[in-house]
Amino acid sequence: DAGITQSPRHKVTETGTPVTLRCHQTENHRYMYWYRQDPGHGLRLIHYSYGVKDTDKGEVSDGYSVSRSKTEDFLLTLESATSSQTSVYFCAISASAGADTQYFGPGTRLTVL
Amino acid sequence: ILNVEQSPQSLHVQEGDSTNFTCSFPSSNFYALHWYRWETAKSPEALFVMTLNGDEKKKGRISATLNTKEGYSYLYIKGSQPEDSATYLCAFEDSNYQLIWGAGTKLIIKP
Repeated sequence: DAGITQSPRHKVTETGTPVTLRCHQTENHRYMYWYRQDPGHGLRLIHYSYGVKDTDKGEVSDGYSVSRSKTEDFLLTLESATSSQTSVYFCAISASAGADTQYFGPGTRLTVL
Repeated sequence: ILNVEQSPQSLHVQEGDSTNFTCSFPSSNFYALHWYRWETAKSPEALFVMTLNGDEKKKGRISATLNTKEGYSYLYIKGSQPEDSATYLCAFEDSNYQLIWGAGTKLIIKP
């Protein structure tokens, strides 16, 4: 299994509070991604990174920010959590862009009350 | 907005039977098509990445075909086993290397 961990694995928080999710990899892969997964939807890309300090928006980036200060860590921040951000969040990594396999972390279940 | 459709949404199959399901995607700006297998309480795992029209890939009892001109891919499972029970995801990769994911086909194998 690719060395990808996510923390926390579960979190319950209240509307309006900031939340940071962490993705950590030991594979030295250049690309890292944050997805959310909701019932009836496919995985939807929130943000991705193509290198240290290089990030870009995905399909559903509103209300989220990211940072990548080291190759191995990719942080997802909800500045002020809302109930619509209740979801399961997956981190993924890939060595390159373009027809390359993405390897997924175990997921973080976030509930915003 | 690009759309990736998977059908059926769910499928019950008797153990030992063969089955197949479909992924439909835009026929323009195609770069690659990915298939993943997602077991309950686990993370998605890659099955295949296909890039060329007419591509066929095989891994054990699972195979996939690709038609980029008409925008569809089929995933086949031969002689279904209980361990094949999972959700099968496809993802269309466009020319900007962005993946658009289908909602998946949930396969349940009945013993």
